[in-house]
Amino acid sequence: KAGVTQTPRYLIKTRGQQVTLSCSPISGHRSVSWYQQTPGQGLQFLFEYFSETQRNKGNFPGRFSGRQFSNSRSEMNVSTLELGDSALYLCASSLSGGMRELFFGEGSRLTVL
Amino acid sequence: GENVEQHPSTLSVQEGDSAVIKCTYSDSASNYFPWYKQELGKRPQLIIDIRSNVGEKKDQRIAVTLNKTAKHFSLHITETQPEDSAVYFCAARTNNNDMRFGAGTRLTVKP
Repeated sequence: KAGVTQTPRYLIKTRGQQVTLSCSPISGHRSVSWYQQTPGQGLQFLFEYFSETQRNKGNFPGRFSGRQFSNSRSEMNVSTLELGDSALYLCASSLSGGMRELFFGEGSRLTVL
Repeated sequence: GENVEQHPSTLSVQEGDSAVIKCTYSDSASNYFPWYKQELGKRPQLIIDIRSNVGEKKDQRIAVTLNKTAKHFSLHITETQPEDSAVYFCAARTNNNDMRFGAGTRLTVKP
């Protein structure tokens, strides 16, 4: 079956703009998590959605937001972009969260100029 | 929330040697500890995991040990091969499904 799909794969924005990233999970997976990956910082947890509800949130400012649709597809939005937001944004899906394997997408690489 | 620390940040070994990566976690309610491997330019993939009711788990050349009292767990790779070169991430998940990752260890296996 198809893996986790993230779009766009690459994008360049300027400071102050906003960006929306999309994640389509594996069919049947209801949990979608988002992570920010930067060199030396590992995978920083942004938020997790399950059945259209945000179940957990990491320590990121309110400029970072997300949502999940009824078909489990998820989007994350970053408003008022800053240079430090440049990173690889990974989403991961799993059947239900919990003690379940996370399946990662290839990520969306955001560069903020 | 959970806080996971991982050491070392880089590790270089000779092919055939063993490699050990260690992680500590802060939340005693954490009950699931997976390890992910990320090869250069690729997505992280699960290589092994352990639940809090188990002290050790082995899968061929890789093993994970868990010490709940000390709140630390380790990844052991024996007979390392060049294809083991990658970044390894440990993670911990609490009862409320909060999955947190360590900062990663870049393992280099020299032929």
